Amino acid sequence: GENVEQHPSTLSVQEGDSAVIKCTYSDSASNYFPWYKQELGKRPQLIIDIRSNVGEKKDQRIAVTLNKTAKHFSLHITETQPEDSAVYFCAASMGNQFYFGTGTSLTVIP
Amino acid sequence: DTEVTQTPKHLVMGMTNKKSLKCEQHMGHRAMYWYKQKAKKPPELMFVYSYEKLSINESVPSRFSPECPNSSLLNLHLHALQPEDSALYLCASSQTPSTSGGNEQFFGPGTRLTVL
Repeated sequence: GENVEQHPSTLSVQEGDSAVIKCTYSDSASNYFPWYKQELGKRPQLIIDIRSNVGEKKDQRIAVTLNKTAKHFSLHITETQPEDSAVYFCAASMGNQFYFGTGTSLTVIP
Repeated sequence: DTEVTQTPKHLVMGMTNKKSLKCEQHMGHRAMYWYKQKAKKPPELMFVYSYEKLSINESVPSRFSPECPNSSLLNLHLHALQPEDSALYLCASSQTPSTSGGNEQFFGPGTRLTVL
């Protein structure tokens, strides 16, 4: 089955700095890669996603890049704000199967 | 309506009890999912229903029994659970995958289950 690794497990940045979270996957059949933000006690919420036929996607301060050859994808958050503090999960999907990375706890220090 | 709802929010049960978790969506999604999430861990896929038929069972113990009575409802029946089954149980729904891959999953708020 698919194996998704995510790094780092914790990340602290100063407000206004950028944050980068990286994931690797093992199964080349995976073709959809969502990123979720989960605040304490709340449900995961999709923040951005990318499909395997696209190399990069951006939505305001958030961007995702995908390298299919190397089987890795990354989340980039620019101009971080305290409200970006949360746990972020990457996932790799093929069909209806979704496999999550282990999560990154991001803290933005005001 | 772009929300997935789950009931109950909290559930405490003994190891001999039988209980059910319920999930509902009215977005016309034909794929519905059950996940288990332990504290500080990622969601783990348990079951997937596609067009009301069970399409994926990730080797889940038989004390968990899913049911999809119609395209809007998903249940998870619980029987003879163990304390280690205590977790947040998340339901999600999505459109069924296309040739370009999966689609955005919408998660419910979860049921926090405690097994005594």
